[in-house]
Amino acid sequence: EDQVTQSPEALRLQEGESSSLNCSYTVSGLRGLFWYRQDPGKGPEFLFTLYSAGEEKEKERLKATLTKKESFLHITAPKPEDSATYLCAPRNYGGSQGNLIFGKGTKLSVKP
Amino acid sequence: SQTIHQWPATLVQPVGSPLSLECTVEGTSNPNLYWYRQAAGRGLQLLFYSVGIGQISSEVPQNLSASRPQDRQFILSSKKLLLSDSGFYLCAWSEGDGAYEQYFGPGTRLTVT
Repeated sequence: EDQVTQSPEALRLQEGESSSLNCSYTVSGLRGLFWYRQDPGKGPEFLFTLYSAGEEKEKERLKATLTKKESFLHITAPKPEDSATYLCAPRNYGGSQGNLIFGKGTKLSVKP
Repeated sequence: SQTIHQWPATLVQPVGSPLSLECTVEGTSNPNLYWYRQAAGRGLQLLFYSVGIGQISSEVPQNLSASRPQDRQFILSSKKLLLSDSGFYLCAWSEGDGAYEQYFGPGTRLTVT
């Protein structure tokens, strides 16, 4: 069965304190892993797509990396505006059309 | 650029009443369209997806239905709402066969009382 686990569930950081969020997945064949940011009461905002192990993508203070079993979202010197819930979603070859398997997310709080 | 709209933004409905949520996409043609539900403490759950007008696939058995009357319009409906239908409903679109990223709308908060 395809599964996605994100850890930690919640993370509190001080402004400038770097850290990483983890996304562990078990899928029958990876066809892309997607990272999203979701603010309270809003739809998820697309951040990155990773397709193969060893791939990395960067955007401002965020860097996403991918291995065969995990993906990490590294946050360097975060600011309060980075506070949000971060969702990861792998998609497999065996899934139905467009079936992303979303994790429950990591809620990040950055204090000034 | 592409934009996606959903309405209404919030909705409070009694048990047993009908439901109609609408989603429209601008700035693209023949998109794949998706309906998700996000319940508190749970991940996003795919409800329906569509690859073209009149083509609907259901992922989860339930009392909800979806329709795509126009290329860029996607509607989520129910004849009789249940308490368990409460949640945050999100519409999304993508290009291609789903390997491409999905872009989400602002969502509709539905409370069934």
